[in-house]
Amino acid sequence: DAGITQSPRHKVTETGTPVTLRCHQTENHRYMYWYRQDPGHGLRLIHYSYGVKDTDKGEVSDGYSVSRSKTEDFLLTLESATSSQTSVYFCASQFSDIYNEQFFGPGTRLTVL
Amino acid sequence: AQTVTQSQPEMSVQEAETVTLSCTYDTSESDYYLFWYKQPPSRQMILVIRQEAYKQQNATENRFSVNFQKAAKSFSLKISDSQLGDAAMYFCAYRRVRSGGGADGLTFGKGTHLIIQP
Repeated sequence: DAGITQSPRHKVTETGTPVTLRCHQTENHRYMYWYRQDPGHGLRLIHYSYGVKDTDKGEVSDGYSVSRSKTEDFLLTLESATSSQTSVYFCASQFSDIYNEQFFGPGTRLTVL
Repeated sequence: AQTVTQSQPEMSVQEAETVTLSCTYDTSESDYYLFWYKQPPSRQMILVIRQEAYKQQNATENRFSVNFQKAAKSFSLKISDSQLGDAAMYFCAYRRVRSGGGADGLTFGKGTHLIIQP
């Protein structure tokens, strides 16, 4: 494993509250990603980062923001959580664009009531 | 935009038998990567095998092999000598190769649930 951790692993929150999920990697990987997994949808890309302070949107970015102030940390924020954001969130990282395996964290199960 | 389709929501195979999982994709790119990931009940995503589109030779990793048909945009996974530990969700995934570098995120299919019958 590439040493990717996610925190928290489980969270229950209420509609309208802000939520921040953290991804931490110890492999000095340049690229980091946030995906969400929902039944019947596989994994879908939310946002990704190609370096410190460099981020871009993915397929399902509405309602989410990200930040990357250090190589090892990539934060996903739900400014005002909605029930449609109930999901399992996966973080992934990749060393470079040449070495192309993405390593995944263990996932965070988020429930918005 | 690229899409990945896995037409088999669920497959079942007897232990020690061979099973093939299907994947098709749609892209206008000529250079890309294809992957198969395994997700057991633990939820951890594990890379099984990958294929570079420019390589004509099909990738193989022990009991796992692919049949890559670029013209048909097909990328199937064959699991030989199926074992109980192979039971999992299997996801096909695609990533384009960016000219000038960079690494986009993966586009995943919806997955195939593989059941191994003892």
